[in-house]
Amino acid sequence: DAKTTQPTSMDCAEGRAANLPCNHSTISGNEYVYWYRQIHSQGPQYIIHGLKNNETNEMASLIITEDRKSSTLILPHATLRDTAVYYCIVRPPRYSSASKIIFGSGTRLSIRP
Amino acid sequence: NAGVTQTPKFQVLKTGQSMTLQCAQDMNHEYMSWYRQDPGMGLRLIHYSVGAGITDQGEVPNGYNVSRSTTEDFPLRLLSAAPSQTSVYFCASSYSSTVSVYGYTFGSGTRLTVV
Repeated sequence: DAKTTQPTSMDCAEGRAANLPCNHSTISGNEYVYWYRQIHSQGPQYIIHGLKNNETNEMASLIITEDRKSSTLILPHATLRDTAVYYCIVRPPRYSSASKIIFGSGTRLSIRP
Repeated sequence: NAGVTQTPKFQVLKTGQSMTLQCAQDMNHEYMSWYRQDPGMGLRLIHYSVGAGITDQGEVPNGYNVSRSTTEDFPLRLLSAAPSQTSVYFCASSYSSTVSVYGYTFGSGTRLTVV
């Protein structure tokens, strides 16, 4: 099961872009990269995912390196409501009994006014 | 509303007591899992299931049992509660394939205190 490594914490000024890195150097060729965030003590919520190409949706952009060993989640204009813990995970295209999905500790992002 | 329902939302147990945390989803998701989250920490995988009748151990399975008799339900049983099991427990579900763009859907959590 591929694991991910993220910085423990980061901060960003409100209105600026927040760039959150994730290392997944053992990712397999068919595994997807997913990002979730957890606000306060709520259940984590989906943000974005990708396989090889860069992706963008209304919440964020995901940049995956060509070798797929790392990725960056970009929140283009961070607001105070983006203060949360952000998790990067990898998952196979289809779950099997070998599919342990490990979330790890994530990155605690603080947005400064 | 479709989603993952966890009950109870809060529970206090005495050391040695047993109880079952309930998790139900109505999205016909094959994959279900249980995580625990200690204060200020990340999510740790307890048990997971890829379908009815199939369960597997995660990172921290000791002290917990699960069963998956139906697609909808995935209860987590604490056999003999210990203070170290004080935590917030999250249940999550997903389609087995990436047909659903959202991946996991999480429940709102069960806050368990063992005294």
